[in-house]
Amino acid sequence: GAVVSQHPSWVICKSGTSVKIECRSLDFQATTMFWYRQFPKQSLMLMATSNEGSKATYEQGVEKDKFLINHASLTLSTLTVTSAHPEDSSFYICSALLTDTQYFGPGTRLTVL
Amino acid sequence: SQQGEEDPQALSIQEGENATMNCSYKTSINNLQWYRQNSGRGLVHLILIRSNEREKHSGRLRVTLDTSKKSSSLLITASRAADTASYFCATVSNTNAGKSTFGDGTTLTVKP
Repeated sequence: GAVVSQHPSWVICKSGTSVKIECRSLDFQATTMFWYRQFPKQSLMLMATSNEGSKATYEQGVEKDKFLINHASLTLSTLTVTSAHPEDSSFYICSALLTDTQYFGPGTRLTVL
Repeated sequence: SQQGEEDPQALSIQEGENATMNCSYKTSINNLQWYRQNSGRGLVHLILIRSNEREKHSGRLRVTLDTSKKSSSLLITASRAADTASYFCATVSNTNAGKSTFGDGTTLTVKP
């Protein structure tokens, strides 16, 4: 139980394009999901908290217009990287909160050329 | 600054040996959790220990929590090559709406 999927698992795009990443809780409902970014050999950096039916809460320094988050249902949150640039290349991981435990997706590797 | 800090940053042992990783944190917590991450993959939840618990076991894993010292340890007994991964501790405080603050992680290498 408590499985979270992410799609796509990897994506390569040209600079200036937008990329959407999906995070789904497969066997439970999650009113709260989290989006993280991880650089090589570093820890997870929380970007934002995604709340079903309301606006996401962004961490300090994260541009909300750059990283659009939509949590339209209890099993799906999406992160859209708008007008992506090479510095946005990273590993993006989502998690879904069940009781007091976060269950993580497998991550999405984004490469912006 | 990071709430959780693991040490050591890197640990290399032989298969069959025990591995101990430590985590220190700064503020009061509701619970502390340990996760494992294989290279390029998502995080796998290992174990959760609440602030009123002192020790927990799960298979070959043993976690301790000392709230007076604001520290936790993860012991992996009889390690296997498949245990090679990065291990993170994450704390959840009462006031943080379920958000976890992750430490920098310990990279464990188990040599066959």
